[in-house]
Amino acid sequence: DAGVTQSPTHLIKTRGQHVTLRCSPISGHKSVSWYQQVLGQGPQFIFQYYEKEERGRGNFPDRFSARQFPNYSSELNVNALLLGDSALYLCASSLRVEETQYFGPGTRLLVL
Amino acid sequence: QQPVQSPQAVILREGEDAVINCSSSKALYSVHWYRQKHGEAPVFLMILLKGGEQKGHEKISASFNEKKQQSSLYLTASQLSYSGTYFCGTERKAAGNKLTFGGGTRVLVKP
Repeated sequence: DAGVTQSPTHLIKTRGQHVTLRCSPISGHKSVSWYQQVLGQGPQFIFQYYEKEERGRGNFPDRFSARQFPNYSSELNVNALLLGDSALYLCASSLRVEETQYFGPGTRLLVL
Repeated sequence: QQPVQSPQAVILREGEDAVINCSSSKALYSVHWYRQKHGEAPVFLMILLKGGEQKGHEKISASFNEKKQQSSLYLTASQLSYSGTYFCGTERKAAGNKLTFGGGTRVLVKP
C-alpha cells in the first residue's frame, strides 16, 4: 500500500511570496494533520482536518491556512513568507482523529 | 505545553540498553513514540493509551504512568538500526487530541 505522499519534496522561495504544499493520505484515511519541523526540534502542530472540516489549529499566524478536499487530500498554504518559515513541513494521515498518525516524507521549504 | 524528553542525547554500543523519558505537566490521554532518521519522516513505533500500559515493538518497549504523566521508552539490546532521534508525542483531551511533540532524544548506536 502507498504511504502518505507529499509534493513538492523541496522548494525555494523568497520573502513575501506564498507557497502551496500538497498531501495525499493513505488510502482509507480521512484525517490529515500538518506539522512544521524546524531543524533540531520536534514537529510542531499546525492544523488537523477530518472529513473536510478543521478539527484543530496550532499556534501559528493567520498567514497559514489549509483545506481538505472531498478525496481527503489536503493543501497547506503559507502567505507572505518569512525567513523563519524555512522548515520541513510534514503531513500525517490517520483513519480518524484519535487514531495513529503516519507521516509523509515532508516538503523541505527554504525561504531566502 | 511541550513534553520534556531526557536525556537529550545518548551514545550506545551495540547490545547495550537505554531508557528515554517523556514527562508532561498536564494530564495525558495518550503518548505516541516515533523514530526519525536524518533526512527522513518520523516513523511510528507505538502508542500508549492507558495508564500503566506497556507495549513492545521488537526489542523496543514503552510504559505509560498516567499518575506521573510520564512515559518511558526502553531500547533493549540495541542494534545499529536503532540510531536516530526519538520523539514522544502527547495527546490531551482538553487540547482536542492534537499531538504535541517533545524536543527529541538523539540516539547513536556504535558497533
